[in-house]
Amino acid sequence: GNSVTQMEGPVTLSEEAFLTINCTYTATGYPSLFWYVQYPGEGLQLLLKATKADDKGSNKGFEATYRKETTSFHLEKGSVQVSDSAVYFCALTERGGSNYKLTFGKGTLLTVNP
Amino acid sequence: EAQVTQNPRYLITVTGKKLTVTCSQNMNHEYMSWYRQDPGLGLRQIYYSMNVEVTDKGDVPEGYKVSRKEKRNFPLILESPSPNQTSLYFCASGLINQPQHFGDGTRLSIL
Repeated sequence: GNSVTQMEGPVTLSEEAFLTINCTYTATGYPSLFWYVQYPGEGLQLLLKATKADDKGSNKGFEATYRKETTSFHLEKGSVQVSDSAVYFCALTERGGSNYKLTFGKGTLLTVNP
Repeated sequence: EAQVTQNPRYLITVTGKKLTVTCSQNMNHEYMSWYRQDPGLGLRQIYYSMNVEVTDKGDVPEGYKVSRKEKRNFPLILESPSPNQTSLYFCASGLINQPQHFGDGTRLSIL
């Protein structure tokens, strides 16, 4: 079956530091890939997506590139802010029959200090 | 405002007392789904629905029921809750082949 592996947290950075959260996946077909963010006490929000190989998703200064050869979708941001503190989930969806189930990684807690 | 609304947001109850968590979306989405989030396990799908009157099991359906009588609503029913169903629950909806939108979550504690 499908699976997503993302780096274990927590990750603690200082403001303006560079962020990388690694994500690799296993899928039998051609998945779409996503990063979702969960702020404290809130639901998951879509941060960015990529639907095919070599696509780059970007939003709010975050980027991730769909790498089919390495089955990876690493999240990066050049300069993090305190407001980026949240849990980040890498996920994929692949239509299997009639289900557009999202398969999630376990999440990475990011804390950014002033 | 486009949103997925879950109620209640928090509930503490006892083993065996039937409960329903409601989920409603105002985006006319065909697809709706329930997930539970547990520490160290991430989010796992409970049930999903492709459209009205079409529902099916996800990865962890035991102890849960759902219904989809109207397009906008997708309630999650725990007929006889047990402590191992203590969790954070999320409802999601989306158009086919489009990203899913999530509610703010329902934290259930079953004593």
